[in-house]
Amino acid sequence: DAGVIQSPRHEVTEMGQEVTLRCKPISGHNSLFWYRQTMMRGLELLIYFNNNVPIDDSGMPEDRFSAKMPNASFSTLKIQPSEPRDSAVYFCASSLGSGMASGERTDTQYFGPGTRLTVL
Amino acid sequence: KNQVEQSPQSLIILEGKNCTLQCNYTVSPFSNLRWYKQDTGRGPVSLTIMTFSENTKSNGRYTATLDADTKQSSLHITASQLSDSASYICVVIGGYQKVTFGIGTKLQVIP
Repeated sequence: DAGVIQSPRHEVTEMGQEVTLRCKPISGHNSLFWYRQTMMRGLELLIYFNNNVPIDDSGMPEDRFSAKMPNASFSTLKIQPSEPRDSAVYFCASSLGSGMASGERTDTQYFGPGTRLTVL
Repeated sequence: KNQVEQSPQSLIILEGKNCTLQCNYTVSPFSNLRWYKQDTGRGPVSLTIMTFSENTKSNGRYTATLDADTKQSSLHITASQLSDSASYICVVIGGYQKVTFGIGTKLQVIP
């Protein structure tokens, strides 16, 4: 299995530009998660989907951020307009289970390699 | 406020030695606790998931313990190897699947 695939791996853009990050989860997984990681704040959960439906987007920082999952094999995280404080590593993860609450092995999340975003 | 505190922030140990990382949390209600290993420049990798009723869970040389009464968890690494050098992140899942992350412990294993 190829694991979770993210693209691009690195993105450098200027403030005000639109940024789109892409994720392909592991085939057959039912849940998909978007995370952000910075040195100051560590890991943060932005949003997660179950069966392509957004379940909890309370971690999305503001309206400039949006995420979609049009089908089971693809998701995007969009930032428009981007700001320097959005600079971070963005991870996508997927799991077989329906969420995180059961603690079962099916809840195990598999992370992608991340996209390092730099907003100048 | 839900919090997860990890200690120490960083740790250097000699190859072959054992070490224990700590995680204290105030998350309530509690669903499960997870330990992740994150190598530099890579995504986190799940080591263990523990629910309220589990006291110990092992994954190779990694053993996690959970005391739900005192709200403490530890990750014990036995016979450390150079490849254990990484950040170790404690994550607590609370009610309504709220996720609280620790800031991590950075472990360096030296020859």
